Amino acid sequence: QKEVEQNSGPLSVPEGAIASLNCTYSDRGSQSFFWYRQYSGKSPELIMFIYSNGDKEDGRFTAQLNKASQYVSLLIRDSQPSDSATYLCAVQTGANNLFFGTGTRLTVIP
Amino acid sequence: EAQVTQNPRYLITVTGKKLTVTCSQNMNHEYMSWYRQDPGLGLRQIYYSMNVEVTDKGDVPEGYKVSRKEKRNFPLILESPSPNQTSLYFCASSLGLSNEQFFGPGTRLTVL
Repeated sequence: QKEVEQNSGPLSVPEGAIASLNCTYSDRGSQSFFWYRQYSGKSPELIMFIYSNGDKEDGRFTAQLNKASQYVSLLIRDSQPSDSATYLCAVQTGANNLFFGTGTRLTVIP
Repeated sequence: EAQVTQNPRYLITVTGKKLTVTCSQNMNHEYMSWYRQDPGLGLRQIYYSMNVEVTDKGDVPEGYKVSRKEKRNFPLILESPSPNQTSLYFCASSLGLSNEQFFGPGTRLTVL
């Protein structure tokens, strides 16, 4: 079983819709959770991080963490074509371990 | 400008020819790491360093070496590259593992 699992997609949504990206993890002791965005040919960049159960909002982005169910999600409201990218979920599982999922490719259709 | 730099950005080499990919950060970060990214496998950690002279293996360390003699530099060494090390490599730095990872621009390596 992989440490972090994501649906690879592709996920297509129309412009203005809500995009929902999901991630599950295997280690119940996981501490920190991150969402990175990676445009084609570029390096990953941080979108959101979340440490506690519940929702965390930043502009059009909302991260949701449910430790009991071991999943973390990212909602993108009012999706824009510029949001088209691969979204990587990353989970810190111990003092020294950070695992990335394989990423979900999102396409926002104008 | 705060950044992580990597060199070279692109490299084509042959099996067995030793190579080094340099990584440098100007943010005074203690934590640095190397990842490789392959289609369908995502980002996998090769080695990481918590501070100067402190390095440890990640998920896929076989065939790689690193050193951390200075805080800002963390070179990745392939003593005898093989074709299965053809990949996209990223260096990253952060204040700590619970903090944002800042990634370099990537090095695309092809081993023939």
